[in-house]
Amino acid sequence: AQKVTQAQTEISVVEKEDVTLDCVYETRDTTYYLFWYKQPPSGELVFLIRRNSFDEQNEISGRYSWNFQKSTSSFNFTITASQVVDSAVYFCALSEERTGANNLFFGTGTRLTVIP
Amino acid sequence: KAGVTQTPRYLIKTRGQQVTLSCSPISGHRSVSWYQQTPGQGLQFLFEYFSETQRNKGNFPGRFSGRQFSNSRSEMNVSTLELGDSALYLCASSLASGAGANVLTFGAGSRLTVL
Repeated sequence: AQKVTQAQTEISVVEKEDVTLDCVYETRDTTYYLFWYKQPPSGELVFLIRRNSFDEQNEISGRYSWNFQKSTSSFNFTITASQVVDSAVYFCALSEERTGANNLFFGTGTRLTVIP
Repeated sequence: KAGVTQTPRYLIKTRGQQVTLSCSPISGHRSVSWYQQTPGQGLQFLFEYFSETQRNKGNFPGRFSGRQFSNSRSEMNVSTLELGDSALYLCASSLASGAGANVLTFGAGSRLTVL
């Protein structure tokens, strides 16, 4: 069965520190997609990144970077030089070709608090 | 470009009543998906509509239903409300359905409280 685990429930860091949010997934599909979404207090889920199972290249976008490792079924997210505006709940999610591209299985989220 | 619009944003109902939530997708997006978010169960997929047809359904009882109109707007309905239906209901739209990764764009949600 498919599953996404975000073991870190809450993380607090001081502004300008780096922080890594962990995500471990389970799937039997060979074709699947991994996502990160950010949920600020307003409630709207904001898309951050999508990766497919055939692309293990790491990605960097500004202060954000993602490390995808199929060998350990992990898709970790690092924020460099954190800022107060990064405070939010971050969700890792998985979709499979078999169960539908728009049927996302979400982890339980990691609440990040950046202290000024 | 307008985002995904959900109405109402907040509502309070009592047990046994029914509720209808509305979602207007991004212009040009033909797929609408619905998710329920609760503190206990997290984010769970309810169903997806594409071209007025339900394409996929999550593991929810038949009290949860939806539909999509020809202009891609979607509604979801919950009948015979229970206390456990209190949740944030999120709608997401995307260009397409089916195989291949789609980027879901979410609305701000409708927060339902059942008393």
